[in-house]
Amino acid sequence: AQTVTQSQPEMSVQEAETVTLSCTYDTSESDYYLFWYKQPPSRQMILVIRQEAYKQQNATENRFSVNFQKAAKSFSLKISDSQLGDAAMYFCAYGYTGANSKLTFGKGITLSVRP
Amino acid sequence: DAGVTQSPTHLIKTRGQQVTLRCSPISGHKSVSWYQQVLGQGPQFIFQYYEKEERGRGNFPDRFSARQFPNYSSELNVNALLLGDSALYLCASSGGQRGGWNEQFFGPGTRLTVL
Repeated sequence: AQTVTQSQPEMSVQEAETVTLSCTYDTSESDYYLFWYKQPPSRQMILVIRQEAYKQQNATENRFSVNFQKAAKSFSLKISDSQLGDAAMYFCAYGYTGANSKLTFGKGITLSVRP
Repeated sequence: DAGVTQSPTHLIKTRGQQVTLRCSPISGHKSVSWYQQVLGQGPQFIFQYYEKEERGRGNFPDRFSARQFPNYSSELNVNALLLGDSALYLCASSGGQRGGWNEQFFGPGTRLTVL
């Protein structure tokens, strides 16, 4: 069974600074996806960034980037130029694609942004 | 472009009662997944349906059941409610032109409180 571990329950960052959220996972599969989802107090789960396991290049989406270390089974999220709107819970998730898609989530990390 | 919709938004039930939650996927999406999110935790996979067939089931008791209709909308039923069923129930859809199989789009959730 796949597991996702987020060991930091809370983190805080100063506005305009950079923060890195950590995630490790365990799987015996070779082809899978990794995701970071953001869940603000409104509860809507929003996809931040996605990484295909077969791609060596780290995914980037504007201020968000990942450090994907497949051998180490590590998948961290870096948020640059942090904004007040980045404050939320962030979940790391492991998943398959296709008609048997299923996501396994970590416990999440609460990110606060100090003005 | 409408996203995933869920109803009702909030629901209060008493122990032993039954509840039905509803989900309408993004137009064109054929797969619907259900997740349970207990306060302070990451979502846990309950079911996935694709083309009206169950494609995956998480580690939940038989009190939980679901179905998918010809228009791809879905219902999640929970019988004999327990206090521990109190949670946010999230629905996610995938498998269409928007996002393909690479992303699950989440609805706003239904907050179920069992007294």
